[in-house]
Amino acid sequence: QVQLQESGPGLVKPSETLSLTCTFSGDSSSNYYWSWIRQPPGKGLEWMAYISNSGNTNYNPSLKSRVTISGDMSKNRFSLRLTSVTAADTAVYYCARDDSSTYFAYWGQGTLATVSS
Amino acid sequence: QAVLTQPPSVSGAPGQRVTISCTGSSSNIGAGYDVHWYQQLPGTAPKLLIYGNSNRPSGVPDRFSGSKSDTSASLAITGLQAEDEADYYCQSYDSSVSESYVFGTGTKVTVL
Repeated sequence: QVQLQESGPGLVKPSETLSLTCTFSGDSSSNYYWSWIRQPPGKGLEWMAYISNSGNTNYNPSLKSRVTISGDMSKNRFSLRLTSVTAADTAVYYCARDDSSTYFAYWGQGTLATVSS
Repeated sequence: QAVLTQPPSVSGAPGQRVTISCTGSSSNIGAGYDVHWYQQLPGTAPKLLIYGNSNRPSGVPDRFSGSKSDTSASLAITGLQAEDEADYYCQSYDSSVSESYVFGTGTKVTVL
């Protein structure tokens, strides 16, 4: 049974850095792609970045200058850092897994990050 | 910034058939990338509904079907039920700047 669980601070001040971690269970040795996807309140989904089991990364061009994804697959977790946050970064952040098929078969339950002073 | 366009809302009475369109371009759907669909019930994470244009994961009712043609795709729900009221998103891959996942704008399905 594959499970993903996001964790984060909940509240971040403007201009600071948002750090999130996704812990997952299940096989970590296959060619998987682990992503962060966010959803502002009442809005749609936006893919942010992925990291593969081999450490390859890719970023949404619109966020690339502010986002860093990293992973420690031996400990079944990967993380996201989003710098210089503003109110527009308030969203539910999901982690998800792509089994090299270009779709997300597994999702975490999401964690709300609110940017406010 | 969604690059796949969906209608904001569709509605239908129980038992009816509704369809949701997903329009892309030559750098995503038109480039041959598969289209996938997700259902998002209120307050929950998206759930994979259709993968590879027309395939249903185990457990998804056959009332849901998908198709793809040229630069667009469609999701059809036949025999609409109250529990189908949710947001639906299409998703594909895009090669215009850097190869990346792209989502549709989302469609709210309302059961009248």
